[in-house]
Amino acid sequence: LAKTTQPISMDSYEGQEVNITCSHNNIATNDYITWYQQFPSQGPRFIIQGYKTKVTNEVASLFIPADRKSSTLSLPRVSLSDTAVYYCLVGEAGTASKLTFGTGTRLQVTL
Amino acid sequence: AAGVIQSPRHLIKEKRETATLKCYPIPRHDTVYWYQQGPGQDPQFLISFYEKMQSDKGSIPDRFSAQQFSDYHSELNMSSLELGDSALYFCASSLTDGAGEIYEQFFGPGTRLTVL
Repeated sequence: LAKTTQPISMDSYEGQEVNITCSHNNIATNDYITWYQQFPSQGPRFIIQGYKTKVTNEVASLFIPADRKSSTLSLPRVSLSDTAVYYCLVGEAGTASKLTFGTGTRLQVTL
Repeated sequence: AAGVIQSPRHLIKEKRETATLKCYPIPRHDTVYWYQQGPGQDPQFLISFYEKMQSDKGSIPDRFSAQQFSDYHSELNMSSLELGDSALYFCASSLTDGAGEIYEQFFGPGTRLTVL
């Protein structure tokens, strides 16, 4: 499984755009990149998934360069409620495969 | 929309006792996963079932066993409980799609197990 590396923590003010970068140098051809969000004492929640280029949904954008060795989760105009841990995961999609959580990024949003 | 249901939400046990955690996946989901998250730690995969058969196994102690029943609900059985088993236990479910589809796991609220 491709190992991921992301910052341990980030701080932001409310209303700012937050970009969390994840490196995955050993990503395989069949691997997708997926981001999950976890609030304290709650189960992780799927945010976004992509294979290459850019993916956008109502919550976030995911930027993946051509070499796919890194990816950036972009959260537009964060609010206090976006304070959470964000996990970058790499693995095969479309199969019943486990999620391997590394050390996520703890995002703290303040006024 | 229906979500993953876990019961009980909280459980307190003594050392060496047994515990059974239950998980009811989202209707029509065919795969169930169990994860353990210790205090201040990241979730760790324990075991998964696809169509009632074990599909993958992670760092699950031999004292733990799990199964998926005909109605797709799953149970995690834990015996000879140790203090270190105190954690949040999450169940997740998914529907296996074809290649190219968005693939996500839906997590339940978790069961907080405290071993005294």
